[in-house]
Amino acid sequence: GDSVTQMEGPVTLSEEAFLTINCTYTATGYPSLFWYVQYPGEGLQLLLKATKADDKGSNKGFEATYRKETTSFHLEKGSVQVSDSAVYFCALREFNDYKLSFGAGTTVTVRA
Amino acid sequence: NAGVTQTPKFQVLKTGQSMTLQCAQDMNHEYMSWYRQDPGMGLRLIHYSVGAGITDQGEVPNGYNVSRSTTEDFPLRLLSAAPSQTSVYFCASSPTGSGRASTQYFGPGTRLTVL
Repeated sequence: GDSVTQMEGPVTLSEEAFLTINCTYTATGYPSLFWYVQYPGEGLQLLLKATKADDKGSNKGFEATYRKETTSFHLEKGSVQVSDSAVYFCALREFNDYKLSFGAGTTVTVRA
Repeated sequence: NAGVTQTPKFQVLKTGQSMTLQCAQDMNHEYMSWYRQDPGMGLRLIHYSVGAGITDQGEVPNGYNVSRSTTEDFPLRLLSAAPSQTSVYFCASSPTGSGRASTQYFGPGTRLTVL
């Protein structure tokens, strides 16, 4: 079955540091890939997505590239802010399906 | 648009009690789903629906029932609450006509504690 593995947290950074959260996946087909973000006390929001190999999703300074050869979708941001403190989830959705498979989530705390 | 709404925000139940978590969306999305979020486990799919009158089980359906009588509403029923059902519950919806780019929209969640 499908599965998503993301790096375990928690991750603590200083403002303006570089952030990377690793995500790898196992899928039976050719999935679409997503990063969702959950700010404290809120629901999940879509951060970015990519639907085919070599696509780069980007939003709010975050980027992730769909790497089919390494089955990865790592999230990166060059300079984090305190407001980026949140839980980040990597997820996949198989083609012709609507169900999402989530990773365990990575808690990121950015200190001023 | 209100998006996806959930009620209540918080709920405390005693073991054996039953209750219904409400979910509604005003985006005319065909697909709706329920997830539970537990520490270190991400989100796990409980039940889902691809349209009114159609429901199916997800990864962890035991102890939960759903129905879909309208496009807008997708309630989740706990039949006899157990402490193992203490969790945060999220409802989500998405259109079914957007192919690979289809995005799920999440509600704010219901935090449930079963004593």
